[in-house]
Formats: sequence, structure tokens, C-alpha cells
Amino acid sequence: DQQVKQNSPSLSVQEGRISILNCDYTNSMFDYFLWYKKYPAEGPTFLISISSIKDKNEDGRFTVFLNKSAKHLSLHIVPSQPGDSAVYFCAASEMGGSQGNLIFGKGTKLSVKP
Amino acid sequence: KAGVTQTPRYLIKTRGQQVTLSCSPISGHRSVSWYQQTPGQGLQFLFEYFSETQRNKGNFPGRFSGRQFSNSRSEMNVSTLELGDSALYLCASSLEVSSKVFGPGTRLTVL
Repeated sequence: DQQVKQNSPSLSVQEGRISILNCDYTNSMFDYFLWYKKYPAEGPTFLISISSIKDKNEDGRFTVFLNKSAKHLSLHIVPSQPGDSAVYFCAASEMGGSQGNLIFGKGTKLSVKP
Repeated sequence: KAGVTQTPRYLIKTRGQQVTLSCSPISGHRSVSWYQQTPGQGLQFLFEYFSETQRNKGNFPGRFSGRQFSNSRSEMNVSTLELGDSALYLCASSLEVSSKVFGPGTRLTVL
């Protein structure tokens, strides 16, 4: 049973436009959420995180929104750049992120076209 | 500051063999986690070690095991390899979850 779901395997966006990547979770005990970006032949790179006590966290072009009642989070990238083309993973954790067990979604491949 | 190092980067084994993968965390990081990435399942948590003790374990069979040494370096071992064990094995070190840093991974192919 998948606890973290990314229902869109791929997303294609024009350069300069907004990219919206979505993630749903089922475990109400999750209280810390993260987004990672992964290029081929490299390990995932941490992008941004959000605690369940917040509904929004912003870092430059990246904003994560959390809707606890819907058990849904999304990553917005504005404006999208060709270098953002990668696989994006949503991850969740219990215990406020104090321990290392992250549950990942299967990823969404983002393609940003020039 | 050196990143997380994983060796070897690529490995080819045959069914029934065993394999040991190594991970050197970032200096000062005491937590090391292992993940398996496959096309169909995404990243799945294997186990986490902290100060030489296994702190968390994912839902993998006993053929998958690991350990951590006093210098925080970690190894994972897979015995009696199966074709389905072919995957990218990722190691991550951290002080806290938010600072988890992944290595480049070891690509294991089982023939």
C-alpha cells in the first residue's frame, strides 16, 4: 500500500511558465514533507521541506503548499527553467523529521522546454 | 566539504552471489540511511543506522542487512542475489532529516 503517491509520472512545461507537481499521502502521522530533485546518474538533491504546522514554505523559485485536510502537497516552480528538467520526488516522515525513515513517492519527470 | 561517497559505482553479479556495498558519510554526520531505487517502485527505505545501531528498518527480506562502523561508515550486504535485486542503491547521511544528503548510488545488475 503506497503511503505517498505522485500520480503524474511526467509533466511537460514551457520555459518561463509555472510547473506544478502534486503529491498525495495517506498516513495521517506524517508531519514533515520534503521534495527532492534527481538527475540521471546522481543521487537525489534536497530542494525544500515543510512541517505540518505550516501550509506554505517558499525558497526562491520553489514554493511548497500543504493541505493537511486533503492530505495533499504541491511544489510550484516559477518561472520554470530548462535546468529544472529532472525527476522530482515527494517524501514524507513521521516524528518531525527527527529520524531518517523517509517514505518516497515514485517520482514525476519534469521536462521544461525552451 | 566532501559529499557522500559510495563504492563501487557499478557492479555486476550473478544470481545466488552476495554483494557488499560501502558508504562513507559526510564528516560529522552520524546517521546513514540506505534506499533502493527501481523503475517500478521508486525509492524504498531499507534501513537507517545511527551511532552503529540500526534505528529503523524498512520492509525488505532478511537477505538485506547492514552495519555501521565507529567512524560512521556503513556497509550493506545482500546475500543470495535475485534478478529483482537489480537496482540503484542509494546511501544518505544526515544530522537531521532535512539535511539528508544522498550519494551518487551504486548501480547493481544481477544476471
